[in-house]
Amino acid sequence: NAGVTQTPKFQVLKTGQSMTLQCAQDMNHNSMYWYRQDPGMGLRLIYYSASEGTTDKGEVPNGYNVSRLNKREFSLRLESAAPSQTSVYFCASSEASQGRTPLHFGNGTRLTVT
Amino acid sequence: AQSVAQPEDQVNVAEGNPLTVKCTYSVSGNPYLFWYVQYPNRGLQFLLKYITGDNLVKGSYGFEAEFNKSQTSFHLKKPSALVSDSALYFCAVRDRNTGGFKTIFGAGTRLFVKA
Repeated sequence: NAGVTQTPKFQVLKTGQSMTLQCAQDMNHNSMYWYRQDPGMGLRLIYYSASEGTTDKGEVPNGYNVSRLNKREFSLRLESAAPSQTSVYFCASSEASQGRTPLHFGNGTRLTVT
Repeated sequence: AQSVAQPEDQVNVAEGNPLTVKCTYSVSGNPYLFWYVQYPNRGLQFLLKYITGDNLVKGSYGFEAEFNKSQTSFHLKKPSALVSDSALYFCAVRDRNTGGFKTIFGAGTRLFVKA
């Protein structure tokens, strides 16, 4: 039982390049999320998917797109990377769409944009 | 708007001493409250949550937290710290009145436990 798996673990991009961060969970969770973590700022929600077939913007969606491919997979795409998107990206999932269940996190993707 | 404040960037305690990591929150409705811990190069791990009921919540690894509605606080505590407790701790809140999808995190508090 792997939980939440993110690929890749590390990535370096040049400004303007694109890439997709992959996330998969094997816990049969309904809801999935993408966060970014920056020093001194905690985690900020980029996009979330309350259930398969739906996606919604979080606090900082600009410059990103997402796809909920199926119940297991939720990908994050950077169409034209910028240095401000240098960050650690975490995917998370939760069992229910209501708020009382905790988040389960992957181990993150460390992205550097030069 | 929801917000979470962790007023201390860092907390230092000696092994065996009690520890407290502070958290205050602001939501328009009633909150769900959570604590998570992050070890180096890992994702966040759930420690404990307050949903309803008893104001003192017990969680993993001997941690507990006290919900104080009048002070809008949810401080994390442990009676006797271990060196292995050294990590980054995050307080988080969801507003149950807005559907509860969006979890807002504090900036984090780094805990150092000295042997």
